[in-house]
Amino acid sequence: DQQVKQNSPSLSVQEGRISILNCDYTNSMFDYFLWYKKYPAEGPTFLISISSIKDKNEDGRFTVFLNKSAKHLSLHIVPSQPGDSAVYFCAASFQGAQKLVFGQGTRLTINP
Amino acid sequence: DVKVTQSSRYLVKRTGEKVFLECVQDMDHENMFWYRQDPGLGLRLIYFSYDVKMKEKGDIPEGYSVSREKKERFSLILESASTNQTSMYLCASSPQGYNEQFFGPGTRLTVL
Repeated sequence: DQQVKQNSPSLSVQEGRISILNCDYTNSMFDYFLWYKKYPAEGPTFLISISSIKDKNEDGRFTVFLNKSAKHLSLHIVPSQPGDSAVYFCAASFQGAQKLVFGQGTRLTINP
Repeated sequence: DVKVTQSSRYLVKRTGEKVFLECVQDMDHENMFWYRQDPGLGLRLIYFSYDVKMKEKGDIPEGYSVSREKKERFSLILESASTNQTSMYLCASSPQGYNEQFFGPGTRLTVL
């Protein structure tokens, strides 16, 4: 039972354009969401998070949007840069639970 | 900076061997986690620990055990390695009360 789903295994975007990565979840009890970025042969690194009391959180070129009614979140990267090419994982949790449930990941490729 | 280190980056073992994967964190975090990452499946939680000598099963504990004798060290044990345990193994840690986890670089284990 996949509680967190990233339905696009891969995404290709031109440098300078917007990258939009999507994530859906099924458990309405999740109230904290995170995005991680992973380069090959490295561990995932934390990128940005959002609590369910917000619908948007921004950090530089990265913005995460949360639509609770649709159980959907998205990560926007503007403008996309070649160094953004990586696998992106979304994850969900309950506040204070400390366990994370991860999606399958989306491989983002930024083309020059 | 938080540092999570894993004992090996690459490991090759034979079917039936006992395998130890070691993880050490230097930030005095209470929580430690073991995941495996497989293509199309994302990160799946094997075991986690909230404190020394405490352990909890994750989503896929079968064929694995863990040990946490010291706060900074969390070991994953494959009692009798099988080919379906060929995977990337990732260790993570987090402070008590925080959802964000910090990951090590991973161990690519191949079981022949």
